[in-house]
Amino acid sequence: SYVLTQPPSVSVAPGQTARITCGGNNIGSKTVHWYQQKPGQAPVLVVYDDSDRPSGIPERFSGSNSENTATLTISRVEAGDEADYYCQVWDSSSDHVVFGGGTKLTVL
Amino acid sequence: EVQLLESGGGLVQPGGSLGLSCAASGFGFTFSNHAMSWVRQAPGKGLEWVSAISGSGDSTYYADSVKGRFTISRDNSKNTLYLQLNSLRAEDTAVYYCANYVPGHFVYWGQGTLVSVSS
Repeated sequence: SYVLTQPPSVSVAPGQTARITCGGNNIGSKTVHWYQQKPGQAPVLVVYDDSDRPSGIPERFSGSNSENTATLTISRVEAGDEADYYCQVWDSSSDHVVFGGGTKLTVL
Repeated sequence: EVQLLESGGGLVQPGGSLGLSCAASGFGFTFSNHAMSWVRQAPGKGLEWVSAISGSGDSTYYADSVKGRFTISRDNSKNTLYLQLNSLRAEDTAVYYCANYVPGHFVYWGQGTLVSVSS
């Protein structure tokens, strides 16, 4: 089955840029989506189709996807961005949805 | 705004069964037009996809970990999604979320319902 690999944690100072990676075999050929989840809350879609943002999501959130790595970039990080972030794809070979293991973003 | 409200969670013994429901509502949200899915999250763990169903209900999909034990279904006349959980195991303990599945990703999520499997 297809596997998505994320770093367990990323730390960044306020105002700086956070980059959260999602690795997978030839993930660039798939469409990647990203979710933000704060403690005790349901996940929220922040980037879909590699780099599109749903309405209401700040422009500070952006995504890219190439070869074996997809990346969620959060510019001008704020304290309120502290959360767990998950990448997700549809694996057509198995007809399964696949999530990455999640990355905890800590704002220092 | 679309609202998804899960219910039916609770404490069940290993080997037992439980039925979850997810009621959908919201202006402009035609339930039958949307594929739906269940995603779970064990305590302190990440998200795990469980199952999905097409808008018509004709097609269903399951994670390997639940195939043969869980059954997803829907009643479009009631705008409700279901998940029947049988032969439950301790590792099925999780918050179960329902979410609508726009092709490829999840847009709207419920707040989740907790299933605890323990003797």
